[in-house]
Amino acid sequence: DAGVIQSPRHEVTEMGQEVTLRCKPISGHDYLFWYRQTMMRGLELLIYFNNNVPIDDSGMPEDRFSAKMPNASFSTLKIQPSEPRDSAVYFCASRGDLYNEQFFGPGTRLTVL
Amino acid sequence: KQEVTQIPAALSVPEGENLVLNCSFTDSAIYNLQWFRQDPGKGLTSLLLIQSSQREQTSGRLNASLDKSSGRSTLYIAASQPGDSATYLCAVTSNSGYALNFGKGTSLLVTP
Repeated sequence: DAGVIQSPRHEVTEMGQEVTLRCKPISGHDYLFWYRQTMMRGLELLIYFNNNVPIDDSGMPEDRFSAKMPNASFSTLKIQPSEPRDSAVYFCASRGDLYNEQFFGPGTRLTVL
Repeated sequence: KQEVTQIPAALSVPEGENLVLNCSFTDSAIYNLQWFRQDPGKGLTSLLLIQSSQREQTSGRLNASLDKSSGRSTLYIAASQPGDSATYLCAVTSNSGYALNFGKGTSLLVTP
């Protein structure tokens, strides 16, 4: 298995632009998580899905953020409009069937100018 | 709200030393605890997963222990090598949810 795949790996955009981050979980995993990592706050959960349904979105910072999972093999995290404070590394992770072990993708480094 | 703390924040040791990284959490009602390694600019690699019913897990030179009642876990690295230099993150899953709560990490430097 190729592991969790994220794209793009790096994104540089200007304030006010729409940003879409993409994730392909490990095949057969039924949970998908989006996390954000910053120097100040460390790693924080944004949202997670179970069987394509959002379960907990309490970590989504504000209405500018939205996430979807249209099928078991694809999820998006969208920021519209983007702001400089959204600059961070965004990780996607998926969970296997046993013991809630989570496997992380390589992350997307987002820079909003 | 679950709070996870890792001490020390940074550690520098000479090659060959055995070392211990510490993790504490405020709510003992956890489902499991996971240790990760993160290299600069990279993603997270899962090192060890300890279920709440377990006391320790071992993988090669790594040994992780869990004392749920006291809210503590340690990661022991034997015979450290320069290649072990990275940030080590501790994360817990609470019984009430499936998401991971992370500590801020310990940045480890092993010097030749």
